[in-house]
Amino acid sequence: DTAVSQTPKYLVTQMGNDKSIKCEQNLGHDTMYWYKQDSKKFLKIMFSYNNKELIINETVPNRFSPKSPDKAHLNLHINSLELGDSAVYFCASSQIPRAQYFGPGTRLTVL
Amino acid sequence: AQKVTQAQTEISVVEKEDVTLDCVYETRDTTYYLFWYKQPPSGELVFLIRRNSFDEQNEISGRYSWNFQKSTSSFNFTITASQVVDSAVYFCALRVGSGYSTLTFGKGTMLLVSP
Repeated sequence: DTAVSQTPKYLVTQMGNDKSIKCEQNLGHDTMYWYKQDSKKFLKIMFSYNNKELIINETVPNRFSPKSPDKAHLNLHINSLELGDSAVYFCASSQIPRAQYFGPGTRLTVL
Repeated sequence: AQKVTQAQTEISVVEKEDVTLDCVYETRDTTYYLFWYKQPPSGELVFLIRRNSFDEQNEISGRYSWNFQKSTSSFNFTITASQVVDSAVYFCALRVGSGYSTLTFGKGTMLLVSP
């Protein structure tokens, strides 16, 4: 059984386009996250949601908009994609203060 | 602010060697949690261990062991008798407080185990 799933796994798109990444967890956790991993493998938190409510927003451009329709889902919509948005995006979930469990990642390439 | 330092960018060993990955953390909070994650070449992030600041007991799980020392703010990870399948990037991470906060990751250590 997949604990944290993300779709799509790969996303290739042109600059200026809008795209979405979906995330679902079946662990019953109440907190979900989006992380960005850059080309040097550095992992940085973008957003955190607890029970559908945004609790952490780490200086991310407002072209990025997360949405949590329920506590099992956290989607990420990106407007007007730029070259610098190319990265691997990871979704994660946890039951605080326990460990975060990560999805498989979505590799976004902006051409 | 909190910080995690993994000074070793890359380590290369030959199979069956023991290897230790270093992690040094900084925080002013007295309540915090330390984690290790593994990222194999396939790309997923795999949770390995969590330790809280009140539990300095070392842990062993098979070939893996962790040494938590508050006196030196370190949480080191040792792999005994390394195997090729251990080749991965290993991340140490810190979460402070018991409420809503996120993980601060180190920059990772790439471990290459050759046959």
